[in-house]
Amino acid sequence: AQSVTQLDSQVPVFEEAPVELRCNYSSSVSVYLFWYVQYPNQGLQLLLKYLSGSTLVESINGFEAEFNKSQTSFHLRKPSVHISDTAEYFCAVSGNTGKLIFGQGTTLQVKP
Amino acid sequence: DTEVTQTPKHLVMGMTNKKSLKCEQHMGHRAMYWYKQKAKKPPELMFVYSYEKLSINESVPSRFSPECPNSSLLNLHLHALQPEDSALYLCASSQGLAGGPFNEQYFGPGTRLTVT
Repeated sequence: AQSVTQLDSQVPVFEEAPVELRCNYSSSVSVYLFWYVQYPNQGLQLLLKYLSGSTLVESINGFEAEFNKSQTSFHLRKPSVHISDTAEYFCAVSGNTGKLIFGQGTTLQVKP
Repeated sequence: DTEVTQTPKHLVMGMTNKKSLKCEQHMGHRAMYWYKQKAKKPPELMFVYSYEKLSINESVPSRFSPECPNSSLLNLHLHALQPEDSALYLCASSQGLAGGPFNEQYFGPGTRLTVT
């Protein structure tokens, strides 16, 4: 069975500081990994994805995530956060069942 | 166009009402999904349609009835709901159900449902 663990339920950070949101997965099949972001009162937006190829993937707004097969991790990082990055972040894994398995989410709170 | 639209944005209904939620996508995706999301929780899968046929029902109570009139539209009919059904209902679509990269899902903005 596949599962996703987001190790931190809340991450408070000051504006312009670096941040890392941690995600570990469990899967016995090939994995495809996603990070989704949900701003208050909105739906989920795909932030970035790992399907194959380079293990470092980047988004257009400065986030990046690295797929680490040996550590079964897909941590999300940003070197300098903005107030506007305050949101709920969900890590998800897709195997061969057609379902997305979500982690419990991490609330990123960026303080001025 | 990577947009999934949902209507209405907000809905308040009594426990004896019948209402419907609507979802539309024009990306040519052949899989469409309904999720229920409670505050500060991940989305919970309810139903999946693949090529307009119901593929997955996650043991959802019969007061929720999905319908897929065509490949672009997905409805969720609601009847005799309970207050605990109040939540954000999200629609999503993907290329298909083959798993892996085909399961990259695009989400709509959701319908905020309140049952009184």
